[in-house]
Amino acid sequence: DIQLTQSPSALSASVGDRVTITCRASQSIDIYLNWYQQKPGKAPKLLIYAASRLQSGVPSRFSGSGSGTDFTLTISSLQPEDFATYYCQQSYSTVSFTFGPGTKVDFK
Amino acid sequence: EVQLVESGGGLVQPGGSLRLSCAVSGFPVSSNFLTWVRQAPRKGLEWVSIIYSGGSTYDADSVKGRFTVSRDTSKNTVYLQMNSLRGEDTAVYYCARWNYYEGTDLYYFDYWGQGTLVTVSS
Repeated sequence: DIQLTQSPSALSASVGDRVTITCRASQSIDIYLNWYQQKPGKAPKLLIYAASRLQSGVPSRFSGSGSGTDFTLTISSLQPEDFATYYCQQSYSTVSFTFGPGTKVDFK
Repeated sequence: EVQLVESGGGLVQPGGSLRLSCAVSGFPVSSNFLTWVRQAPRKGLEWVSIIYSGGSTYDADSVKGRFTVSRDTSKNTVYLQMNSLRGEDTAVYYCARWNYYEGTDLYYFDYWGQGTLVTVSS
């Protein structure tokens, strides 16, 4: 099974900060990596698919990059509504839909 | 407008059973891939089961043999039958669509329900 790790597990930041979250796969997954945002008590929301493609309606301050085993999610200028937990998820395997453990972004 | 609405959660004793429903509007379940994803309290996301457009299903190892996903196309609803429940099955269960960008093999969960809480406890 493909395993995903994320770093850091949590970070504290301020409005306007540039934030970068890393996701690493246990084997090469090409560009088959998605990112989701989840706020407390809410369902996850798709932000980025195929490593770098912005989902329709998602603000352009969110961006993704990477391929193979190493991926990043970047928020160029953190906004108050961005404080949430972020998950990566691989779509390389057709029989396993693994999520990363999550990165919580909270107020500094 | 696309909506997925889960129901059927509640408190159940260990060893008991529960059936969750996911009522879908905005697209036909018969031609889409529908999944169940769960989240234990203060934990991350875990994929549980999927039902493909052709009707075939696949389950995570953690629930294999205990959970069964099915659908009723006349009601446009997907179900998760959960048997032999254990404490570690306690979670919010989300219904989500597994979709792809047209013309590609780039898949993602694009629509999610609000979730239904299942608590397994005596």
